[in-house]
Amino acid sequence: ETGVTQSPTHLIKTRGQQVTLRCSSQSGHNTVSWYQQALGQGPQFIFQYYREEENGRGNFPPRFSGLQFPNYSSELNVNALELDDSALYLCASSSYRGANTEAFFGQGTRLTVV
Amino acid sequence: AQSVAQPEDQVNVAEGNPLTVKCTYSVSGNPYLFWYVQYPNRGLQFLLKYITGDNLVKGSYGFEAEFNKSQTSFHLKKPSALVSDSALYFCAVRDHDYKLSFGAGTTVTVRA
Repeated sequence: ETGVTQSPTHLIKTRGQQVTLRCSSQSGHNTVSWYQQALGQGPQFIFQYYREEENGRGNFPPRFSGLQFPNYSSELNVNALELDDSALYLCASSSYRGANTEAFFGQGTRLTVV
Repeated sequence: AQSVAQPEDQVNVAEGNPLTVKCTYSVSGNPYLFWYVQYPNRGLQFLLKYITGDNLVKGSYGFEAEFNKSQTSFHLKKPSALVSDSALYFCAVRDHDYKLSFGAGTTVTVRA
């Protein structure tokens, strides 16, 4: 177990709806990143938060947004859901000490958009 | 942009035989390379990383990886595979923005 927990584990939404996914980072970690893993593909970087500020973003539209809270937990919000948003969403926490530190992942949230 | 490639979609080996999962990288500057494993319907588990130093890196569950700068490779190895090693393996590189860029993954099947 990594100490990174995500909720919910599964959910089904209808196209056009909005969804919020949650992540609790590992104790002592101040950085949270979110990744989207479509079926049969490697994870794709969505964005990263450090001390409540977004400090990196991948090639995702603005309807993907996030928050990090003072306790370093995080939310991923997706508006106007599309069918292609169906994927496993992974949260990873790490300590912002340098690019050589490993990230620890949660078990993921499986989102299905119908 | 930094990237990794995993040239094999699938690797099949018999239990007890050596296992190798290939990864090549393309980076500017020093590479920070990682291997993760994913079991069905689970998140990613960290196996090992290369930062600097010895070219042979030892990690969890008996895995090791060999960094080769001249061939820009970072292959994952295990001397004697177990059926329980059957999973999806990802190579990744971390860039200066701290994001991880993953390969497409290699499915490993170890037959009894």
